[in-house]
Amino acid sequence: GENVEQHPSTLSVQEGDSAVIKCTYSDSASNYFPWYKQELGKRPQLIIDIRSNVGEKKDQRIAVTLNKTAKHFSLHITETQPEDSAVYFCAARDNFNKFYFGSGTKLNVKP
Amino acid sequence: ETGVTQTPRHLVMGMTNKKSLKCEQHLGHNAMYWYKQSAKKPLELMFVYNFKEQTENNSVPSRFSPECPNSSHLFLHLHTLQPEDSALYLCASSPERDYEQYFGPGTRLTVT
Repeated sequence: GENVEQHPSTLSVQEGDSAVIKCTYSDSASNYFPWYKQELGKRPQLIIDIRSNVGEKKDQRIAVTLNKTAKHFSLHITETQPEDSAVYFCAARDNFNKFYFGSGTKLNVKP
Repeated sequence: ETGVTQTPRHLVMGMTNKKSLKCEQHLGHNAMYWYKQSAKKPLELMFVYNFKEQTENNSVPSRFSPECPNSSHLFLHLHTLQPEDSALYLCASSPERDYEQYFGPGTRLTVT
């Protein structure tokens, strides 16, 4: 089955800097890759996603890149703000429409 | 924020109790999911329902029993749980099974 690994587990950046979170997956047939943000005590919320026929997608300060050959995808947050502090989860959907989640990255943006 | 709701938000139960978690979605979605979120572990998919039919049981112990009476409601019936079952249980829904998911606020379960 699919195996999703996420790094780093914790990330601390200064406000205004960029943050990058990387996930790797094992099943080359996986075709959909969402990213979720979970603030402390709240539900995970979808912030951006990318499908396997696209290499990059951007939404304001958030972007996701996908490298199908290397089987990794990354979340990029530019001009970070304190409200970006949260746990971020990546996920991959395999050919059987089953979702596999990464273990999460706790992002701390220091003012 | 009211698209997917879950009750109760917090639950403390003994190992011999029987309780149920409820999830309701107001988004007109056809697929619903139960996830378990334990500390320092990835989100674990437990069950998937698509058009009220269970399409996936991810090797979940029988002390967890799901029920989906219609596309808007999903239950998780609990009995004879173990302390290691203490976790945040999240419900999610999506338009259909292979679309992006929207999560409920979760039920924080503590088994004593």
